[in-house]
Amino acid sequence: KQEVTQIPAALSVPEGENLVLNCSFTDSAIYNLQWFRQDPGKGLTSLLLIQSSQREQTSGRLNASLDKSSGRSTLYIAASQPGDSATYLCAVRLYNFNKFYFGSGTKLNVKP
Amino acid sequence: NAGVTQTPKFRVLKTGQSMTLLCAQDMNHEYMYWYRQDPGMGLRLIHYSVGEGTTAKGEVPDGYNVSRLKKQNFLLGLESAAPSQTSVYFCASSQTGFDTEAFFGQGTRLTVV
Repeated sequence: KQEVTQIPAALSVPEGENLVLNCSFTDSAIYNLQWFRQDPGKGLTSLLLIQSSQREQTSGRLNASLDKSSGRSTLYIAASQPGDSATYLCAVRLYNFNKFYFGSGTKLNVKP
Repeated sequence: NAGVTQTPKFRVLKTGQSMTLLCAQDMNHEYMYWYRQDPGMGLRLIHYSVGEGTTAKGEVPDGYNVSRLKKQNFLLGLESAAPSQTSVYFCASSQTGFDTEAFFGQGTRLTVV
């Protein structure tokens, strides 16, 4: 069974800091990995999708990397803003299984 | 552009009552999923479907049933609600392929008293 772990569980930083969120998974036979943002009481918004053959993806101030061999992905947020405050979730999709496995998320608070 | 729509958004049930949650997607996706989200436990897969007329069990299927009679709709049923089923339920859909992402609905907050 695929296990997905996100560290840290919570993070509080001052505005303007660059930060890294971590996601690790136990089964490296993944189809792709997706990072989501979830605001309180809301659904999940897709941020970045990394295919298994890719090393990284970028969107604005966000950069996600993938190292399949070590079972790790990182989400880098540059110049953080209070509006980035949310819970960030990673999900992996396995080959031969049409399912997504989620980590428990990292709750980010960016202080003005 | 509706995406994935869940109905209802909130519901309070009494123990033993039944209800159906509806998920509708307008992206012609083959795959649809039902997850529940509980504090400290992340999202756990209840049931999923890889196409019209097909369903399969996920990690936590007990107490739930599903149907996918039409490609665009995926229904989640609770036959006899229990307090342990108090949760936020999310529906998602996706297409197959390396470059396809999952799209989520806004969630249904269910409380069983």
